[in-house]
Amino acid sequence: DAGITQSPRHKVTETGTPVTLRCHQTENHRYMYWYRQDPGHGLRLIHYSYGVKDTDKGEVSDGYSVSRSKTEDFLLTLESATSSQTSVYFCAISDPGVAGREQYFGPGTRLTVT
Amino acid sequence: RKEVEQDPGPFNVPEGATVAFNCTYSNSASQSFFWYRQDCRKEPKLLMSVYSSGNEDGRFTAQLNRASQYISLLIRDSKLSDSATYLCVVNPLYNQGGKLIFGQGTELSVKP
Repeated sequence: DAGITQSPRHKVTETGTPVTLRCHQTENHRYMYWYRQDPGHGLRLIHYSYGVKDTDKGEVSDGYSVSRSKTEDFLLTLESATSSQTSVYFCAISDPGVAGREQYFGPGTRLTVT
Repeated sequence: RKEVEQDPGPFNVPEGATVAFNCTYSNSASQSFFWYRQDCRKEPKLLMSVYSSGNEDGRFTAQLNRASQYISLLIRDSKLSDSATYLCVVNPLYNQGGKLIFGQGTELSVKP
């Protein structure tokens, strides 16, 4: 299994609070991705990174920001959590320098916004 | 039209059965294709990459038909442990960053 960890694994938070999710990899892969997965929608890309300090938006980026200050860490921040952001969040990584290759996923974070 | 479409199922089959999943994609320029497996409440895991010539891995066979823009996955001699959701995944290559497009998945339930 690829060396990808996510923290926290579970979190319950209140509407309006900021939340940061962390993805950590030990594979030295260049590309990192944040997805959310909801019933009826499948996996949807939030943001991705193609290198340190290089990030771009995915299809559902509103309300989320990301940062990547080190190769191994990719942070996802919900600036002010809303109930619509209750979801399962997955981080993924992809082979260094090769876009379009298969992605490997972390174990996920279950976030509940009350 | 969705970029990647799958029959959501569920497919309920007995042990030992052969089951086939199909998936269609809309972008004819797509170059990379994959099947992932996702167990309940777990992360997706790569099952197979799909190559133009088709490829086989034990009981699993993947086929690609570029002319019709569909991908298939065949599972022979189904096991109880094959019960999962199978995700069809495409890299349409119109985007940067290696972004993949995921189908919503086909649920398989293998019964004793």
